[in-house]
Amino acid sequence: AQSVSQHNHHVILSEAASLELGCNYSYGGTVNLFWYVQYPGQHLQLLLKYFSGDPLVKGIKGFEAEFIKSKFSFNLRKPSVQWSDTAEYFCAVNARNRDDKIIFGKGTRLHILP
Amino acid sequence: GAVVSQHPSWVICKSGTSVKIECRSLDFQATTMFWYRQFPKQSLMLMATSNEGSKATYEQGVEKDKFLINHASLTLSTLTVTSAHPEDSSFYICSARILTSGGYTFGSGTRLTVV
Repeated sequence: AQSVSQHNHHVILSEAASLELGCNYSYGGTVNLFWYVQYPGQHLQLLLKYFSGDPLVKGIKGFEAEFIKSKFSFNLRKPSVQWSDTAEYFCAVNARNRDDKIIFGKGTRLHILP
Repeated sequence: GAVVSQHPSWVICKSGTSVKIECRSLDFQATTMFWYRQFPKQSLMLMATSNEGSKATYEQGVEKDKFLINHASLTLSTLTVTSAHPEDSSFYICSARILTSGGYTFGSGTRLTVV
C-alpha cells in the first residue's frame, strides 16, 4: 500500500524567507501526487497536483513542487513566503491504476512571523 | 467546478446515540466517495471508500459495524456513527474524485462532539 512521509512537522519562518517542505512517498508503481493546504478553520484546498509530464509543477499562490521519481519525492517550494501562508500543508498520493483512494501525509504546520 | 456538500457542519450528541453525516455531489455524479477522520492538529486518516450500489471498503482498524456507510445513489453517501462515544469525537470529511480532471474535491467537514 502507498504511504506518504512529511519530514517537517512544524516550520517557523519569517516573511520573505524561502520555503521548502519535504514529501516522500512509498509506492513502486505510477502515482498521482498532490499538495493541499488547510488554513485555520477552513477546509482543504488544492495547491497543485502532478499527474504526468513536466516534473516541475506550478500551483496557486506562487507555490511549486518538483517530482523527482528517483527519490520518490515531491517537495513543495515557495521563494518568498507571506504571513498569509500560515496554514497546515498536506502532501498526498494516489496509486494510479490501482484504486482511487488518496492517502495523506501527517501534515506540516507552517507559521510565518510578520 | 465539482462541489461536494457535507451536512451537518457540526453536531453534538449524547453517548450511545447515532449520528448521520451526509455527503452530496452537487453538479457531478460520484460513483466513489471517501470518508476521512481528522483529529485535532493531525492528518486526514482514510476510514473507508464508499461505492455506489455496493458495500463500502474499510481501511484496516476501522470498525465497519460502528461506522456505517451507505451510498445508495450517484450523488449521496452517508456515514452513520452508531452508538457514539466521546472518543468518536472528531472532524469527519468526505471526498469524491472528479473524473474529468482526476483531482479530488472535499466537503467542508463535520465536527462531531459526543458528550
